[in-house]
Amino acid sequence: DQQVKQNSPSLSVQEGRISILNCDYTNSMFDYFLWYKKYPAEGPTFLISISSIKDKNEDGRFTVFLNKSAKHLSLHIVPSQPGDSAVYFCAASLNFGNEKLTFGTGTRLTIIP
Amino acid sequence: EAQVTQNPRYLITVTGKKLTVTCSQNMNHEYMSWYRQDPGLGLRQIYYSMNVEVTDKGDVPEGYKVSRKEKRNFPLILESPSPNQTSLYFCASGSGRGAWGPAVGELFFGEGSRLTVL
Repeated sequence: DQQVKQNSPSLSVQEGRISILNCDYTNSMFDYFLWYKKYPAEGPTFLISISSIKDKNEDGRFTVFLNKSAKHLSLHIVPSQPGDSAVYFCAASLNFGNEKLTFGTGTRLTIIP
Repeated sequence: EAQVTQNPRYLITVTGKKLTVTCSQNMNHEYMSWYRQDPGLGLRQIYYSMNVEVTDKGDVPEGYKVSRKEKRNFPLILESPSPNQTSLYFCASGSGRGAWGPAVGELFFGEGSRLTVL
């Protein structure tokens, strides 16, 4: 049972445009959500997070939006840059601070120069 | 430099030959975990440890063992590897349950160990 789903395996976006990566979850008890970025031959690295008491968190070019009623979160990258080409995983946890994360299947983002 | 180090990075072995993948972190983190990444399945947790001598099963623990005798080390043991354990493995560490803060929940990952079982 996939509790965290990323339904788009891949996404291509023109450089300079906005990239929107989506993530859906089924467990309403999840209260903390994170995005990780992974380059080939490297481990995932933390990108941005959001707690369930917020609906938006912004860090530079990256913004995460949370819609609790829809059990949906999205990552916006604007403007997209070639270095953003990577696989993006969303993750969710129960009990804020518990690192037992449940990951989605990932979305491969390709930025076209 | 803060890091999580895994060894070996690449390994080809045969069915039934016991192997250990080591993981070490230098950030004094209490929490450590092992994940495997498979196509179409994302990252799935194998085992995790909240502190020394405290380990627990993740979502896919079958065929694996772990130990946490020291805070910095968390080896993953495959007693009798099988071809379905061919995968990319990641070790991760984190600061553990703590006060409300933006970094809580953030994991630091190693570079991965690609294991092939023939």
